[in-house]
Amino acid sequence: NAGVTQTPKFRVLKTGQSMTLLCAQDMNHEYMYWYRQDPGMGLRLIHYSVGEGTTAKGEVPDGYNVSRLKKQNFLLGLESAAPSQTSVYFCASRNLNSGAGDYEQYFGPGTRLTVT
Amino acid sequence: KQEVTQIPAALSVPEGENLVLNCSFTDSAIYNLQWFRQDPGKGLTSLLLIQSSQREQTSGRLNASLDKSSGRSTLYIAASQPGDSATYLCALISGTYKYIFGTGTRLKVLA
Repeated sequence: NAGVTQTPKFRVLKTGQSMTLLCAQDMNHEYMYWYRQDPGMGLRLIHYSVGEGTTAKGEVPDGYNVSRLKKQNFLLGLESAAPSQTSVYFCASRNLNSGAGDYEQYFGPGTRLTVT
Repeated sequence: KQEVTQIPAALSVPEGENLVLNCSFTDSAIYNLQWFRQDPGKGLTSLLLIQSSQREQTSGRLNASLDKSSGRSTLYIAASQPGDSATYLCALISGTYKYIFGTGTRLKVLA
């Protein structure tokens, strides 16, 4: 049971390039989330999904797209990278709220992205 | 708008000391509250989840309390160890997707 995994771990992009970050979870969780973490700003929600085939915008969605074609995978795309998107990106998942503890989020190890 | 504040931003203590980390929030309409630990360059590890109807949760040397009326949660760490050095984050959970994170307290336990 690997939990939540993210690829790649590190990436450097030039301004204007595109890329996709992959998040995978093997806990059969319904909900998945993408966050970015910046110094002094805490974690901010980019997009989230409440099930296969669904996505929704979070707090800071501009410049990002997501897809959830399979329940276990949640992809985050940067269409045209900008220096402001330099950050650490975290994926998380959680179960449906059907009982105690189901609000607990499980996080991946993060992807460190630098846009020059 | 819900705001989550963690004070202090950084804390250094000698090994063996008991310590309290604070998490304050402005709106008491929360479902649950979760405490995390983050080691440098790593993801977040869940420590404790307190449901809205509960007042505290315990796990080993950790005890987290929740007082919605005062908008405050505390994480108590007993007999601190150098291995406890990390950043501690609290997150308010107020819906399916609404997790609002504090900016964390960076803890250093000196041997």
